[in-house]
Amino acid sequence: GENVEQHPSTLSVQEGDSAVIKCTYSDSASNYFPWYKQELGKGPQLIIDIRSNVGEKKDQRIAVTLNKTAKHFSLHITETQPEDSAVYFCAASGANSKLTFGKGITLSVRP
Amino acid sequence: NAGVMQNPRHLVRRRGQEARLRCSPMKGHSHVYWYRQLPEEGLKFMVYLQKENIIDESGMPKERFSAEFPKEGPSILRIQQVVRGDSAAYFCASSPPGTWAYGYTFGSGTRLTVV
Repeated sequence: GENVEQHPSTLSVQEGDSAVIKCTYSDSASNYFPWYKQELGKGPQLIIDIRSNVGEKKDQRIAVTLNKTAKHFSLHITETQPEDSAVYFCAASGANSKLTFGKGITLSVRP
Repeated sequence: NAGVMQNPRHLVRRRGQEARLRCSPMKGHSHVYWYRQLPEEGLKFMVYLQKENIIDESGMPKERFSAEFPKEGPSILRIQQVVRGDSAAYFCASSPPGTWAYGYTFGSGTRLTVV
């Protein structure tokens, strides 16, 4: 089955700096890659996603890039703000409805 | 337009008791998924249901766990004879027909503590 690895496990940045979170996946049949943000005590919230026919997608301060050959995808957050502090999960899905999640990264944005 | 509603938010059970977790999908969503999150872990798929049908239960433990999504009412995840290792956050997600994983919306979860 699919295996999603997420690195690093924690990341601390200064407010205003950029943050990059990387994930790798194992199943070449995976074709959908969402990113979720989870705040304490809440459920995961979809922040951006990308499908395998696209190499990059951007939404305001957030962007995702996908390298199908290398089987990795990355989340880029620019101009970070304290409210970006949360746990971020990457996930992958193939021709079914199951999402396989990474273990998550705790992002801390220092004011 | 209410989101995915899960209740209770917190549930405490003694070892050997039963836990029943409920999930009401978003309006218009007919697909329900259950995931389990252990401390400092990602979410693990448990089961995918449509109304009155279990589509994929490959992530469900073979014993003590069951799920249903009846024609009327919420989806129920049932854990019989709970053990300490069942302590986790259980999240439900729903999606509209035909969207596979694209249209997932998660609820706020039920945090089960087994004492």
